[in-house]
Amino acid sequence: GNSVTQMEGPVTLSEEAFLTINCTYTATGYPSLFWYVQYPGEGLQLLLKATKADDKGSNKGFEATYRKETTSFHLEKGSVQVSDSAVYFCALSGTGANSKLTFGKGITLSVRP
Amino acid sequence: EPEVTQTPSHQVTQMGQEVILRCVPISNHLYFYWYRQILGQKVEFLVSFYNNEISEKSEIFDDQFSVERPDGSNFTLKIRSTKLEDSAMYFCASTVDGNTEAFFGQGTRLTVV
Repeated sequence: GNSVTQMEGPVTLSEEAFLTINCTYTATGYPSLFWYVQYPGEGLQLLLKATKADDKGSNKGFEATYRKETTSFHLEKGSVQVSDSAVYFCALSGTGANSKLTFGKGITLSVRP
Repeated sequence: EPEVTQTPSHQVTQMGQEVILRCVPISNHLYFYWYRQILGQKVEFLVSFYNNEISEKSEIFDDQFSVERPDGSNFTLKIRSTKLEDSAMYFCASTVDGNTEAFFGQGTRLTVV
């Protein structure tokens, strides 16, 4: 079945540091890939997505590239802010009747001023 | 911006009692989902619903769980006889057609005592 593996956390960075959060996946077919973010006390929000190989998703300074050859979708940001402190989930989905999301464990990011 | 709404935000119930969690998906969306997140753990798929029937369900979604779309706007999750281990955050989500990103509600925190 489908699965998503995220690097172990938590991650603590200073403001303006570079961020990389690793995500790899196992799936049949051609899944869509997502990063969701969960701010403290809130629900899940879509951060970015990519639907096919070599697509780059981007939003709010975050980027991730769909790498089929390495089955990866690593999240990066060049300069993190305190407001980026949250839990980040990598996820994948199929389409139509197989459209459920399969999530990774999530990683907590804390950014210090 | 359209959003998925869930009620209540927090529900406390005694073990063995029935609970109904309510969701109003985005109005033009056709696929509906329930996920749960036990505290500190990853988000897990429970069930997907399309065209007034379950399209997929996980092993977690046993006979104690049921879903219903009682009218044109609500989507409910019922747990017939709650157990302590049902304590979790329950998220409702919807997508337009199963091929695009899912929009999540803010969640219902269920506490079984």
